[in-house]
Amino acid sequence: GQQLNQSPQSMFIQEGEDVSMNCTSSSIFNTWLWYKQDPGEGPVLLIALYKAGELTSNGRLTAQFGITRKDSFLNISASIPSDVGIYFCAGPHRRFQKLVFGTGTRLLVSP
Amino acid sequence: DAGVIQSPRHEVTEMGQEVTLRCKPISGHDYLFWYRQTMMRGLELLIYFNNNVPIDDSGMPEDRFSAKMPNASFSTLKIQPSEPRDSAVYFCASRDTAYEQYFGPGTRLTVT
Repeated sequence: GQQLNQSPQSMFIQEGEDVSMNCTSSSIFNTWLWYKQDPGEGPVLLIALYKAGELTSNGRLTAQFGITRKDSFLNISASIPSDVGIYFCAGPHRRFQKLVFGTGTRLLVSP
Repeated sequence: DAGVIQSPRHEVTEMGQEVTLRCKPISGHDYLFWYRQTMMRGLELLIYFNNNVPIDDSGMPEDRFSAKMPNASFSTLKIQPSEPRDSAVYFCASRDTAYEQYFGPGTRLTVT
């Protein structure tokens, strides 16, 4: 079945550092979505990608749709304490109108 | 728009009691999804509706769980009888024709 693997599982960084995380699959996806979940809240959509090779930014966040369509990357520049949370990638299921979610990357930022 | 609205935000109940979680999707969205999130199992899709009709309920754990969507602006997830292993955060999400789903704040359920 379709699975999304995220790495790293967790990161502990200093404020001001840049962060990179990725999401890979053995299946092709035609859309990639990145969500962030703050503690005690629901996931919030950060960025949506629709074309292979696409690079999209949202403030300090930049995401890329991999050329092979089997991966996507999320970068956060100059991290701040409020970047703390769990970051999920997601893509549409092959057959149904639902999303496949990655396992998440937990980010901790030290002031 | 107010976004997806869920109630209650927190629910504490005793084993064996009936629990009803409620969701109001974003106006104009014709897909509604119910998820459960736990530390052990992560985010799991329970069921989703399109135009108020259940499409895929393969994630519903057992017959104790049921979901309804009587109209385009309201859905319920019911657990009867509840068990301690049902303790989790339950999310509702909605979307329109695009794939992007928008999540509610969740209901934290504790069954003692």
